Amino acid sequence: KAGVTQTPRYLIKTRGQQVTLSCSPISGHRSVSWYQQTPGQGLQFLFEYFSETQRNKGNFPGRFSGRQFSNSRSEMNVSTLELGDSALYLCASSLSPQETQYFGPGTRLLVL
Amino acid sequence: LAKTTQPISMDSYEGQEVNITCSHNNIATNDYITWYQQFPSQGPRFIIQGYKTKVTNEVASLFIPADRKSSTLSLPRVSLSDTAVYYCLVVLGDAGNMLTFGGGTRLMVKP
Repeated sequence: KAGVTQTPRYLIKTRGQQVTLSCSPISGHRSVSWYQQTPGQGLQFLFEYFSETQRNKGNFPGRFSGRQFSNSRSEMNVSTLELGDSALYLCASSLSPQETQYFGPGTRLLVL
Repeated sequence: LAKTTQPISMDSYEGQEVNITCSHNNIATNDYITWYQQFPSQGPRFIIQGYKTKVTNEVASLFIPADRKSSTLSLPRVSLSDTAVYYCLVVLGDAGNMLTFGGGTRLMVKP
């Protein structure tokens, strides 16, 4: 079975732009979560989706948003990018919200 | 949320057994203990999960005492490729997928 895939793998943007990252979960997995990883803050939870509904949201500003489609694929969007948004953005999927999460390789975002 | 405490770093040599202990004093009845491994610039990889006593898979063993206030991840006969950061997490049994990662333990395996 293919693992979690994330696109793009690398991205360079400038301040003020917006970006959309994509995540395809493992086949059959219906829950998708997003995390941000930076050297200073470590791995932090962004949000969780299940059946196209956001179930939990981490402590991030409204510039960070996401959605989940009927095929369980998910996207996250960051608007008005700031230098501090440079990070590795990780997506994880699980069969359902209380099952083990499996992570994708991440998208490395660099904001200049 | 149950907070976890684990050593910041550990060194070992190839072929040795490595034990990483994690404390989680305020773990709740419904919580599970989960360990992930992460290599630089990659997503965390699930290693093992347990609720109590001992769990073993092809990669590692997880020892959890009766009071569940700590757990020990055991990696048998480590190799250079086991050099990574290991995260201990307490996963809330009824709170969905909001994983809370601590700082992890940076394991360095030397030849």
